[in-house]
Amino acid sequence: SQQGEEDPQALSIQEGENATMNCSYKTSINNLQWYRQNSGRGLVHLILIRSNEREKHSGRLRVTLDTSKKSSSLLITASRAADTASYFCATDLSGYSTLTFGKGTMLLVSP
Amino acid sequence: ETGVTQTPRHLVMGMTNKKSLKCEQHLGHNAMYWYKQSAKKPLELMFVYSLEERVENNSVPSRFSPECPNSSHLFLHLHTLQPEDSALYLCASSQSISGNTIYFGEGSWLTVV
Repeated sequence: SQQGEEDPQALSIQEGENATMNCSYKTSINNLQWYRQNSGRGLVHLILIRSNEREKHSGRLRVTLDTSKKSSSLLITASRAADTASYFCATDLSGYSTLTFGKGTMLLVSP
Repeated sequence: ETGVTQTPRHLVMGMTNKKSLKCEQHLGHNAMYWYKQSAKKPLELMFVYSLEERVENNSVPSRFSPECPNSSHLFLHLHTLQPEDSALYLCASSQSISGNTIYFGEGSWLTVV
C-alpha cells in the first residue's frame, strides 16, 4: 500500500513566492527523503532527513519532520521557474528493505 | 548525469515483439531497481536486485523478465506486452537496499502499439 502521501497534488505559484509541500505517512520510519522529477525525466534526490532530526536545510530547501504527526514538509523559498517539477517524498520504513514513494506534488512556478 | 544510464530512451514496439531495456550504473552500488511510472499513477516498484540476486518482485506479470548479470548491469526483457504497459520505465541504483539514497536513470519511454 502507498506509504507517503503528498499534499497538495498540484501547486501553482509565482516566481519569488515560497512553495510548501507536505507528506504524510502511516508507520514508523528510519528516514524520509524528497526527490524531484522534471517532466519525463528520472527522479533526482534532494534531501534526506533521519527520524531523529526535526529540520534540515539545503540551499533554498527546508525540510521538517514531525514523527509524532507522521508528517514532513518541503519548503522551497524564493521559487524560480526552473523549480517547476514534480516533488516526491519517499519513506524508509522500519523493517522494510526499500524506499516507498508517494504520488507526488506537481509544482508550477510562473515567471 | 546521475551515474545511471538507460538505453534506449524511447522505444515503440508491437504487442508481438521482443525487446529489452538496458541499464548500467557507474557508481559501484550493490542494489539495482526497475520502476514503472504511468500517467497519473504512483511510482511502482517492479524488481529489486541486491548483489545480483533478485530480492523483490512485486507481482509483476511474467511478460516482464529482469536480468542482472553483474552488479553494474540490469536488463528488462519485454515480450508480448499490452498497450497498458506503455509507460516510463526507470532504472535506479543505491549503495544497498536499506533506505539509502536512490539514484535514477533518465528512463526509457515505452509505447506498445
